[in-house]
Amino acid sequence: GNSVTQMEGPVTLSEEAFLTINCTYTATGYPSLFWYVQYPGEGLQLLLKATKADDKGSNKGFEATYRKETTSFHLEKGSVQVSDSAVYFCALTEQAGTALIFGKGTTLSVSS
Amino acid sequence: DGGITQSPKYLFRKEGQNVTLSCEQNLNHDAMYWYRQDPGQGLRLIYYSQIVNDFQKGDIAEGYSVSREKKESFPLTVTSAQKNPTAFYLCASSIAVGATDTQYFGPGTRLTVL
Repeated sequence: GNSVTQMEGPVTLSEEAFLTINCTYTATGYPSLFWYVQYPGEGLQLLLKATKADDKGSNKGFEATYRKETTSFHLEKGSVQVSDSAVYFCALTEQAGTALIFGKGTTLSVSS
Repeated sequence: DGGITQSPKYLFRKEGQNVTLSCEQNLNHDAMYWYRQDPGQGLRLIYYSQIVNDFQKGDIAEGYSVSREKKESFPLTVTSAQKNPTAFYLCASSIAVGATDTQYFGPGTRLTVL
C-alpha cells in the first residue's frame, strides 16, 4: 500500500541555519504530495504542495521538489527562524476526495 | 471568514459515555474527513464523506460513527466501543476534484477519557 517515510526528529537548529527534512514515499500511481505544518495545540496548515513530477512547491521560504525517480519530496529552507519551530508532516494522496497518507511528522526546534 | 470550525476545543469523557465532536465548514467543499492524531504516529483516517448522505470508513473506523446530513456539517461520535479514545481529533475538507485537490484542516478537538 501507499506510505510516507520522514526523517526522525527532533531536528534542532540555530537561527539562520539551513534546513532539510527528508521525505520519501511509496505509491502505486501518481500521487499529489504535500507538506503541512502544525504549531503546538493547533490544527494542520498547508505549507506547500506539488501535483506532478518535477513540480516545485514553495511558500514562506520553504521549498520542495517532486522527484519521481527517487520517490522523494524533501523540504528545504535556506535560513530558519525561531518562528519556524513546529512539527512538519509530509503527506500524499492518489485520488481527490480520499485519504491523505501521512508520515509520522518531524519536530523542528530553532533557537536564537 | 471562510474556514473550518471544530468544537469543543477540549472535551472530557467518562468511560462508557458516547461523545460527539462537531465540525462545520463554510468553504462550500463537497468532501469532509475525520483524522485521529496520536503522539509520534502522524494522522490516521477515521471516516470520510464525498457527498451529503454518504460516507466511507477509513483505516480506524471501529468505535466511531458519523453522519452527513448537510454539506456544511460532519459530526463524529466517539462511542463507548472505542477502546482508547484519548487523542487529538482533526476535521478537514476539500473540493474533492482534480489533481490539485487540497485538504484544509480545522483547529482540532482534544478528547481525554477520565
